[in-house]
Amino acid sequence: GAVVSQHPSRVICKSGTSVKIECRSLDFQATTMFWYRQFPKQSLMLMATSNEGSKATYEQGVEKDKFLINHASLTLSTLTVTSAHPEDSSFYICSAGQGDAGELFFGEGSRLTVL
Amino acid sequence: GQNIDQPTEMTATEGAIVQINCTYQTSGFNGLFWYQQHAGEAPTFLSYNVLDGLEEKGRFSSFLSRSKGYSYLLLKELQMKDSASYLCAVRDSNYQLIWGAGTKLIIKP
Repeated sequence: GAVVSQHPSRVICKSGTSVKIECRSLDFQATTMFWYRQFPKQSLMLMATSNEGSKATYEQGVEKDKFLINHASLTLSTLTVTSAHPEDSSFYICSAGQGDAGELFFGEGSRLTVL
Repeated sequence: GQNIDQPTEMTATEGAIVQINCTYQTSGFNGLFWYQQHAGEAPTFLSYNVLDGLEEKGRFSSFLSRSKGYSYLLLKELQMKDSASYLCAVRDSNYQLIWGAGTKLIIKP
């Protein structure tokens, strides 16, 4: 079945540095990928919708200059957390689907800890 | 506004049956999803309903009533590994997924 791979699974960084998270669709072309953030014991919060070849659509309250999203190809989207702060520590998850019908496939998630 | 309501937490006994309800109010409807999420892991797909009725998949079944804005996930023959959060999500008229807060299911021996 379709698989979405996310890397890295865990990352620890110092405050003020930038971290890049990759999301790849391994056996299908994903024109749209979604980036979520999840705090402990809370549900998924959609941050942005990443569209191949165009700018990402950010949800209200999500800083586009802080969370840079690039969807350069049909199989790769990246999320860069710029100038990370401890409050950015969270579980970041990407997902992708095949067209408008059917299920979304999730990446394994990336746990970011900012010291 | 749009919202998805599901119970915060439920407890059930190993071997029993549990039903997790989800009610929704969204601008349009293009399908309802159930996902399972174990602590610290990404969600995994369980079911997709777009027409009214019951979809059965092994021990799991999902029901949808569009007129009532209601769905449930039914888990039979509960196993300890079913302890997880169950997320209900509805795709609205813009094909955006609206997520519920999730139901934490605790299975006791």
